[in-house]
Amino acid sequence: DIQMTQSPSSLSASVGDRVTITCRTSQSINNYLNWYQQKPGKAPKLLIFAASNLQSGVPSRFGGSGSGTDFTLTISSLQPEDFATYYCQQSYSTPLTFGGGTKVEI
Amino acid sequence: EVHLVESGGDLVKPGGSLRLSCTASGFNFSNYSMNWVRQAPGKGLECVSSITSSGRYIDYADSVKGRFTISRDNAKNSLSLQMNSLTAEDTAVYYCARESIWDLRTSYFDYWGQGILVTVSS
Repeated sequence: DIQMTQSPSSLSASVGDRVTITCRTSQSINNYLNWYQQKPGKAPKLLIFAASNLQSGVPSRFGGSGSGTDFTLTISSLQPEDFATYYCQQSYSTPLTFGGGTKVEI
Repeated sequence: EVHLVESGGDLVKPGGSLRLSCTASGFNFSNYSMNWVRQAPGKGLECVSSITSSGRYIDYADSVKGRFTISRDNAKNSLSLQMNSLTAEDTAVYYCARESIWDLRTSYFDYWGQGILVTVSS
C-alpha cells in the first residue's frame, strides 16, 4: 500500500494568514492526489482533485500543487469557515489511502 | 441533487455481524464505482472497500479482508457492506462515497453520505 505522510499534523493560524499543508507519498503517484476538508461531525468534502484541479463550488483561495511524491495544499487567505481538518488521498493504486490529517486551528 | 444515505449502524457485541446499506439518488448509480470509508473516533479516514460500477471488481483493506463483503444492487440504487467477526477496532463512523473518474485514469470521492456509527462493544 502507498503510505501518505501529511505535515504538520496540526497548526495554529489567524484569519487572513496564508496556510500551507504538505503531503508526501511513499512512491511516485504522478498527480493522482486529492485533498479533502472535514469539519467536526461532518463528512469530508472534496476540495482539490488530481493535485491542482479545484472542485466545483470550492473557493479560489484553495490551491493545490505538486507531482511525483510531494504535494501541497495552500489556503491563500484563511477564512473563519476554513478551520477544519484537511486530508490528502492518493488515487494512484488501490487501496486509495489517506494521509493522517492536518488540523487547522485558530 | 446527489444524495447518499447510510443506514444499519448499531451497537453490536464483539464477534457479531452487521449489515450497512447506502441508498443513492440524484445520479445514475450504475455508472459509478462506490466505496465505504470509515473513521474511528478521533482518528483519520480509512478506505474499507470499493466496488466498480458493474460489481465486477472489488477491493478490501487488509484490516477487513475475509470479514467484510461489499455488494451493490444497481436496480435498487443500493450499496451494502456485510460486516462479520466484528472487533472493537471496527468501531467507527462508516461513510459511503461516490467515486468519479477524471481524465480516464485518476479518481476522487466527490459525494459522501452523512455517515453511520457502528459501535462494537460488550
